[in-house]
Amino acid sequence: GQNIDQPTEMTATEGAIVQINCTYQTSGFNGLFWYQQHAGEAPTFLSYNVLDGLEEKGRFSSFLSRSKGYSYLLLKELQMKDSASYLCAVKDSNYQLIWGAGTKLIIKP
Amino acid sequence: IAGITQAPTSQILAAGRRMTLRCTQDMRHNAMYWYRQDLGLGLRLIHYSNTAGTTGKGEVPDGYSVSRANTDDFPLTLASAVPSQTSVYFCASSDSRGGVNEQFFGPGTRLTVL
Repeated sequence: GQNIDQPTEMTATEGAIVQINCTYQTSGFNGLFWYQQHAGEAPTFLSYNVLDGLEEKGRFSSFLSRSKGYSYLLLKELQMKDSASYLCAVKDSNYQLIWGAGTKLIIKP
Repeated sequence: IAGITQAPTSQILAAGRRMTLRCTQDMRHNAMYWYRQDLGLGLRLIHYSNTAGTTGKGEVPDGYSVSRANTDDFPLTLASAVPSQTSVYFCASSDSRGGVNEQFFGPGTRLTVL
């Protein structure tokens, strides 16, 4: 079967750095996405990786290792508004997204 | 309209009733999707459409039907609602013809079936 694993919840301090991990086992791989979802709102796109390596976009970076079936989202200089759930999704061989259950990130002052 | 809209925002429905959730996008995206989101589970694909006039089944299609008569609209119908269909429903769209193909999501419909 297909599986995306992420930690259920993480806590970090304002101004700090946090890394959210995602491991996947899917039938095929056509890219990995990270989305942010604030409570009661829709998911919004953060990043996309299809090749191995690091993609940087401001305070957020995403890393992919296809051989290990592993990705992480790195958030720097954490702000209170970063409190949200972070969803990892993999596009499979049918070009459909398989979603992890999400990681709830709690930021403390 | 800017982006993707859904209606209603929320609904309480008696079991056995028929319900249509509406979704409209103005981005001229070819692909559209319906997901349900339940606590502790990832988004699960119900149905999708790669282009107007075609639809396909996702991971959890039973009890739901869709149509795609034109590019902009993608309604989801529950023929006879059951309590297990209580969920938050998200419609999404993407331009799947090249590039990153990220999905853009509507604000969601919170459905409670009693």
